[in-house]
Amino acid sequence: EADIYQTPRYLVIGTGKKITLECSQTMGHDKMYWYQQDPGMELHLIHYSYGVNSTEKGDLSSESTVSRIRTEHFPLTLESARPSHTSQYLCASSSSGRTDTQYFGPGTRLTVL
Amino acid sequence: GQSLEQPSEVTAVEGAIVQINCTYQTSGFYGLSWYQQHDGGAPTFLSYNALDGLEETGRFSSFLSRSDSYGYLLLQELQMKDSASYFCAGRDGGFKTIFGAGTRLFVKA
Repeated sequence: EADIYQTPRYLVIGTGKKITLECSQTMGHDKMYWYQQDPGMELHLIHYSYGVNSTEKGDLSSESTVSRIRTEHFPLTLESARPSHTSQYLCASSSSGRTDTQYFGPGTRLTVL
Repeated sequence: GQSLEQPSEVTAVEGAIVQINCTYQTSGFYGLSWYQQHDGGAPTFLSYNALDGLEETGRFSSFLSRSDSYGYLLLQELQMKDSASYFCAGRDGGFKTIFGAGTRLFVKA
C-alpha cells in the first residue's frame, strides 16, 4: 500500500493569493514529482526532485516553485494564483531503481476565481 | 527525447477483450509501464515490462516488443469498472518517466 498524502484535497481561492500545496510520503522514496492534469487530459510534469536539496523544472512551464528540504516532503507553492492555474495537481514518488514505478497521491483540485 | 503514442479512446463491451496499443520513440529505453486512472482519481500502477514478451497479472496482461518499439495492454473479461483512462509510460536513459497522452476506455453493457 502506497503512502503518499496531499493536502488540501480541494481548494477554491481568489486571484492573487499565495498558496502552498502539501505532499508527503512515508515510503522513503528519493524521487518526487508534481504533475498538472486537467480532467480527461494528459499528465504534465511541472517539477521533480532527485532527493533532498535537488529540484528541477519539468516539461510544462509553470509559475510555481518547489522545495525539498526533507526526503518525505515536497511542497508546491504558487506565489500569485490566477484562473489559468485552475487544474488538478498530482504528487507522486518513486524509489531509485530500474522500473521507476510511481505512486500517486490523491491530488489537489484547485479552483482560482 | 522520448514520446509515446496511444489511441485517444477505445470502446468495448462487457465481457470482451480489448487491447490498448502504445508505440514509443526514445533515445534510450528502460522499459514500459502501464497506469490506470479512474475519473476524479489518481493514476495507479498496473504493470511493467523490461524485456520482450507478455506479463500477466490477473485479467490484465502487458506485452512489449523492443525491436518494434511497441507495447500493448490487454484487458480480458471486461467489467464496467474497467472504464478508465490508461497511460503507457516509458523511462529514457535519463531520470524522467514520460507518460503517453492516455487512452480512455469505455466499457458498454
